[in-house]
Amino acid sequence: GAVVSQHPSRVICKSGTSVKIECRSLDFQATTMFWYRQFPKQSLMLMATSNEGSKATYEQGVEKDKFLINHASLTLSTLTVTSAHPEDSSFYICSARGPRDRDYTDTQYFGPGTRLTVL
Amino acid sequence: GDSVTQMEGPVTLSEEAFLTINCTYTATGYPSLFWYVQYPGEGLQLLLKATKADDKGSNKGFEATYRKETTSFHLEKGSVQVSDSAVYFCALDFGNEKLTFGTGTRLTIIP
Repeated sequence: GAVVSQHPSRVICKSGTSVKIECRSLDFQATTMFWYRQFPKQSLMLMATSNEGSKATYEQGVEKDKFLINHASLTLSTLTVTSAHPEDSSFYICSARGPRDRDYTDTQYFGPGTRLTVL
Repeated sequence: GDSVTQMEGPVTLSEEAFLTINCTYTATGYPSLFWYVQYPGEGLQLLLKATKADDKGSNKGFEATYRKETTSFHLEKGSVQVSDSAVYFCALDFGNEKLTFGTGTRLTIIP
């Protein structure tokens, strides 16, 4: 249980295009999801907190107009990288706070990640 | 602010060796503590956790004990395998806030 999926797992796009990444909680509802970015051989950098039905909360230094987050349902959050450029190439990982009914609300479960390459 | 300090890597061990990866934290209050593991090209997987002082988390032969007096949560395994090669992240969380991660420790086990 407490499985989080991401789609796509890998995407290559041209500079200037937009890319959407989906994050789904498969067997539980998640009112809060998180989006991280990870550079090679580095730790995860929290980009934003996604709350179902409300606007995302972005971390300092993250451009909200460039990284659009939508949390339209209790099982789906999307991250859209708009007008992508080569410097946006990275590994993007989402997570969801665990299911309330299993008393894992203090645990985040992570998706497998999406590797974005912008040419 | 809250922070997590992890043993710097990379760490290279022979198979069946004893493993310790140190983790200490600074936090106001009593957070939950976690170890996550990341295999090459994948996202993070929860390895184990502890939610209060003296709790011991364990999974797949790994253990870590929540030590309030030393503000530590060191990861240990008695006999490592090649398949344990991965990056290990220590993290803390207050339950309704974001996770605070350590920098990660890359572990390589050689046969």
